[in-house]
Amino acid sequence: AQSVTQPDIHITVSEGASLELRCNYSYGATPYLFWYVQSPGQGLQLLLKYFSGDTLVQGIKGFEAEFKRSQSSFNLRKPSVHWSDAAEYFCAVERNQGGKLIFGQGTELSVKP
Amino acid sequence: EPEVTQTPSHQVTQMGQEVILRCVPISNHLYFYWYRQILGQKVEFLVSFYNNEISEKSEIFDDQFSVERPDGSNFTLKIRSTKLEDSAMYFCASMPGGYEQYFGPGTRLTVT
Repeated sequence: AQSVTQPDIHITVSEGASLELRCNYSYGATPYLFWYVQSPGQGLQLLLKYFSGDTLVQGIKGFEAEFKRSQSSFNLRKPSVHWSDAAEYFCAVERNQGGKLIFGQGTELSVKP
Repeated sequence: EPEVTQTPSHQVTQMGQEVILRCVPISNHLYFYWYRQILGQKVEFLVSFYNNEISEKSEIFDDQFSVERPDGSNFTLKIRSTKLEDSAMYFCASMPGGYEQYFGPGTRLTVT
């Protein structure tokens, strides 16, 4: 069965520092990969997605993610974190068009001044 | 920019009561979904709906749950007899085709 693992439940970084959130997936083929962000009490906002092609994808709010097939990973990065980035981040996979999203457990990001 | 909307934002109900959660997907979208998120846990898929029928459902989506698209614009999730463990945030999503799902802001369901 497909699964998504986000090994870090909670990460704290200083404002201005770089960020990397890890995501590993388990699936026989290359799925479609997504990162969503959820601010407290809010819905899910799509940050970026990977379907095919260039393995480094750019998203909104200065985020990027790199797909590494050999490691079954799709890690999210940001060079300089802002206090407003504090939120919960979910990695998700979709195996086929119209199919369900399978989410990881989420990583809560705290940003300290 | 078009958005998925959900009503109500918060619903409180007593155990055993029926609830209907409403969603208005983005116009011209073809695929519709319900997900839920129990407090502190990950988002879980409940059901997908395409071409006026359920295309996939999870083991969570038992006989107590049903979905409808009654009028071509609304998409509803009904829970016939709520349980305490149904307390969660319920998200509706829609997709035009392709692979990107657009999520609504969610309805928080509290069962007492």
